[in-house]
Amino acid sequence: DAGITQSPRHKVTETGTPVTLRCHQTENHRYMYWYRQDPGHGLRLIHYSYGVKDTDKGEVSDGYSVSRSKTEDFLLTLESATSSQTSVYFCAINDREGNQPQHFGDGTRLSIL
Amino acid sequence: AQTVTQSQPEMSVQEAETVTLSCTYDTSESDYYLFWYKQPPSRQMILVIRQEAYKQQNATENRFSVNFQKAAKSFSLKISDSQLGDAAMYFCAYRSAFGGKLIFGQGTELSVKP
Repeated sequence: DAGITQSPRHKVTETGTPVTLRCHQTENHRYMYWYRQDPGHGLRLIHYSYGVKDTDKGEVSDGYSVSRSKTEDFLLTLESATSSQTSVYFCAINDREGNQPQHFGDGTRLSIL
Repeated sequence: AQTVTQSQPEMSVQEAETVTLSCTYDTSESDYYLFWYKQPPSRQMILVIRQEAYKQQNATENRFSVNFQKAAKSFSLKISDSQLGDAAMYFCAYRSAFGGKLIFGQGTELSVKP
């Protein structure tokens, strides 16, 4: 299995607070992704990174920011959490593009009350 | 923009029987990749099978095979000899050959009856 660790695994917080989720990889892969999973929507891309300090927006990026200061870490921040951001968040990595599959972390369940 | 549609929110199959999960997609690109991922209750995302659009031959991985119809933009997953451990949510996903994100369908929840 690809070495991907997401932390925390579960978090409950209140509306208006900042939240940071961490994705750590030991594979030295270039590409890293953050998705959110919601019923009826599958997984949707929030942000992705194609190298250290190189990031770009996905389809549901509003209210989220990311940072990648080291190859192994990709942080997702909810600047001011809202109840609509209650979701399961997945980090994914892959080395090359093309038919190489993305490997996923185990997900973080985030509840915003 | 590309889209992926899984029109079966839920499916059920008897153990040892065969089931087919449907997936259609929309794209104007000619070169791309298609994937099926399995998500059991543990929440892990597990790659089941992949298909390159330039290959006419359908991909096969043990009991899992696909029916890839490029002209119809259809990519169904066939599970033969279904096992209890096959019960999971299954996602179809698309990626452009130019790289970038995976685009997922809504998912199909498969239950396996003993």
